[in-house]
Amino acid sequence: TQLLEQSPQFLSIQEGENLTVYCNSSSVFSSLQWYRQEPGEGPVLLVTVVTGGEVKKLKRLTFQFGDARKDSSLHITAAQPGDTGLYLCAGARRETSGSRLTFGEGTQLTVNP
Amino acid sequence: DVKVTQSSRYLVKRTGEKVFLECVQDMDHENMFWYRQDPGLGLRLIYFSYDVKMKEKGDIPEGYSVSREKKERFSLILESASTNQTSMYLCASRPDPYQPQHFGDGTRLSIL
Repeated sequence: TQLLEQSPQFLSIQEGENLTVYCNSSSVFSSLQWYRQEPGEGPVLLVTVVTGGEVKKLKRLTFQFGDARKDSSLHITAAQPGDTGLYLCAGARRETSGSRLTFGEGTQLTVNP
Repeated sequence: DVKVTQSSRYLVKRTGEKVFLECVQDMDHENMFWYRQDPGLGLRLIYFSYDVKMKEKGDIPEGYSVSREKKERFSLILESASTNQTSMYLCASRPDPYQPQHFGDGTRLSIL
């Protein structure tokens, strides 16, 4: 059973379009992280959100943590080919041993020029 | 910058072999992790370690063991490799449970 569900799994869009990726769970998380992974490399942290309702912006990327801390979204405005990659959400629950992370399945984004 | 180095980018082994994957971090991090990454399944935790000589099973430990004799090095061992262990293996480290994880570039392991 996947604790964190990401949607969509695949997304192919044209340069300049907007998109949203969703990360949903029935569990409450103490924090949620978003990573981006490019081919041949490990995931790289983009942002951590910790407060319910929190919104963080990273240039054209906007991250939101749900009020109940069970879900999150990543919105990209005016996507560029350099945004292409695998986007992963990961939730931390303090009650788990070592506050370990649970990862979603990932969203493979392709931005075509 | 944190550097997490995995010893091999690509590795090909045969069924039944004992396989060692090595990971070294240079930031004196307490916690280290081994994940495997498969299409459509995301990252799944195999084992993690709080500190030297300490280890804890993750979600899919069967067929694997780990060793952490020194703080900077965390080794993943496939006791008797099988074809269903063909995967991308990722190592990560972090200073404490409240900080994000830093990942290596992965080892793509093929078991023939």
